[in-house]
Amino acid sequence: DAGVTQSPTHLIKTRGQQVTLRCSPKSGHDTVSWYQQALGQGPQFIFQYYEEEERQRGNFPDRFSGHQFPNYSSELNVNALLLGDSALYLCASSTTELARPEAFFGQGTRLTVV
Amino acid sequence: GQNIDQPTEMTATEGAIVQINCTYQTSGFNGLFWYQQHAGEAPTFLSYNVLDGLEEKGRFSSFLSRSKGYSYLLLKELQMKDSASYLCAVVFFGSNYQLIWGAGTKLIIKP
Repeated sequence: DAGVTQSPTHLIKTRGQQVTLRCSPKSGHDTVSWYQQALGQGPQFIFQYYEEEERQRGNFPDRFSGHQFPNYSSELNVNALLLGDSALYLCASSTTELARPEAFFGQGTRLTVV
Repeated sequence: GQNIDQPTEMTATEGAIVQINCTYQTSGFNGLFWYQQHAGEAPTFLSYNVLDGLEEKGRFSSFLSRSKGYSYLLLKELQMKDSASYLCAVVFFGSNYQLIWGAGTKLIIKP
């Protein structure tokens, strides 16, 4: 059973560019959440996708957008990159089945904006 | 607000016991998680508390008191591999699934 997979693992982009990060959730999970984690901080919630719709959003600008596909995989897009967008981007999958409430994380994508 | 507070850093000795506290100013959550995160890696699930009291799982135990607004993670027989950050998070169910995270406690284990 594959866990949560993210690609790429590392990425270097130039300020002003656009980036797309990808996530495949754990088998049987239908909900994907994206987080940004700066060094030494806890994860900050960006948004969550369920049934191909953005269900909830954290305090992030519209430069951050996403998508969920019918197979539950998801993409995170960031436009007009800023230096401050450099962080570890984590994808977490979960299920609406309350008997297993924990979220499972991918290994993350380390984004560096120069 | 929904602040979750944890100590920034703690140091303990190999073989000893350490307690990592988590206090929160939120209510109505469904449960509280503890996750472990090694540097540069993804958080991994440790424990989940719904009811008040102690949940024991091997060397790790987690405690929740809703009335007092705090939780703690207790690590026994510390090993060098326990050096990591420990993250506390509350979860809300219902129409949405939402995790609210603390900043994490960096635990340093010394020989």
